[in-house]
Amino acid sequence: EAGVTQSPTHLIKTRGQQATLRCSPISGHTSVYWYQQALGLGLQFLLWYDEGEERNRGNFPPRFSGRQFPNYSSELNVNALELEDSALYLCASSPYGQGRTEAFFGQGTRLTVV
Amino acid sequence: QQQVKQSPQSLIVQKGGISIINCAYENTAFDYFPWYQQFPGKGPALLIAIRPDVSEKKEGRFTISFNKSAKQFSLHIMDSQPGDSATYFCAASLTGGGNKLTFGTGTQLKVEL
Repeated sequence: EAGVTQSPTHLIKTRGQQATLRCSPISGHTSVYWYQQALGLGLQFLLWYDEGEERNRGNFPPRFSGRQFPNYSSELNVNALELEDSALYLCASSPYGQGRTEAFFGQGTRLTVV
Repeated sequence: QQQVKQSPQSLIVQKGGISIINCAYENTAFDYFPWYQQFPGKGPALLIAIRPDVSEKKEGRFTISFNKSAKQFSLHIMDSQPGDSATYFCAASLTGGGNKLTFGTGTQLKVEL
């Protein structure tokens, strides 16, 4: 069974630009979660999508947004990039609604803002 | 209310020793407590998880101890091996909250020969 896949692996952007990160969940998983892992700050919850809808968002500004497609894959968009947005962005998927709670993570996208 | 506090920040253990990582939470509504293991350049991988209706869960060399009244839980790694050297994160979630995980700040474990 294929795991959670994220692309690209690395992304370098200039301050003020926009970044788009992509995630494909494990087959059968309807929920996708995005987390930011900045150096020394642990994992911070960003967004949760389930069945195409945004269900919850963490304490991040509106320039962090995303969407979930009908095939349950997801996109995270970060507008007006700032230097402090440099971090590892992790996507996780979960079979939410099926009585199970495990969340499985992808390998992440390393975003560097210069 | 939503915090999960993790200690120690880093830990060095001799091969064959016991590694112990502790976490404390504030939100009594949390009902799922997983531990994740993360190697450099990789995403976190689910290691073991527990629900508050049991006080201990063991899987191989990994054991979670859970103290509901103290709102604390810990990970014990028995017979620690160099291959266990990684960063460990505790987390907590509400089943009704869509499995959104609140993470501890992580513990860097190094197992020396």
